[in-house]
Amino acid sequence: KAGVTQTPRYLIKTRGQQVTLSCSPISGHRSVSWYQQTPGQGLQFLFEYFSETQRNKGNFPGRFSGRQFSNSRSEMNVSTLELGDSALYLCASSLDRLNTGELFFGEGSRLTVL
Amino acid sequence: QQQVKQSPQSLIVQKGGISIINCAYENTAFDYFPWYQQFPGKGPALLIAIRPDVSEKKEGRFTISFNKSAKQFSLHIMDSQPGDSATYFCAAQTGNQFYFGTGTSLTVIP
Repeated sequence: KAGVTQTPRYLIKTRGQQVTLSCSPISGHRSVSWYQQTPGQGLQFLFEYFSETQRNKGNFPGRFSGRQFSNSRSEMNVSTLELGDSALYLCASSLDRLNTGELFFGEGSRLTVL
Repeated sequence: QQQVKQSPQSLIVQKGGISIINCAYENTAFDYFPWYQQFPGKGPALLIAIRPDVSEKKEGRFTISFNKSAKQFSLHIMDSQPGDSATYFCAAQTGNQFYFGTGTSLTVIP
């Protein structure tokens, strides 16, 4: 069974640009979450989608947005990039069973903003 | 505000020693406490998890100790090996939402 696939794995952008990251969840998983990982901050929750609906949202500015398609694939977009947006962006999928702790992460998209 | 506080930030242990990572939380709505392990260049992967009605869970060399009254839980790695060198994240779940600690970078010296 294929794992969570994230593309692209690495990308470099300049301030003010925008970026779109893609995530293909494990087949059958309908919940997709996005996290920002930076040194010292750990995993900061961005948002979670289930059946094309944003179900939860973290404390990030409106420049960060996402969506989920009918096949459960998800994209996140960051507009007007800032230097502080440089991070590893992780996508995780799950079967959406409550209280299981079973998140399956992709390898992430490493964004560098110059 | 960090919902789950994790310490230490980094840890160096000799091979064969015990590695201990601690986490604390405040929200009593949390009802599942997983630990994730992340190797460089990889995404985190579930290592072991515990529910608050259990005080300890052991899987091989990895043990979670849970103190519900103190709202604290910890990961113990017995007989630590160089292959255990990774970043460890504690987490707490309520409903379908997860909150992660800031991570502990563990280095096991041969």
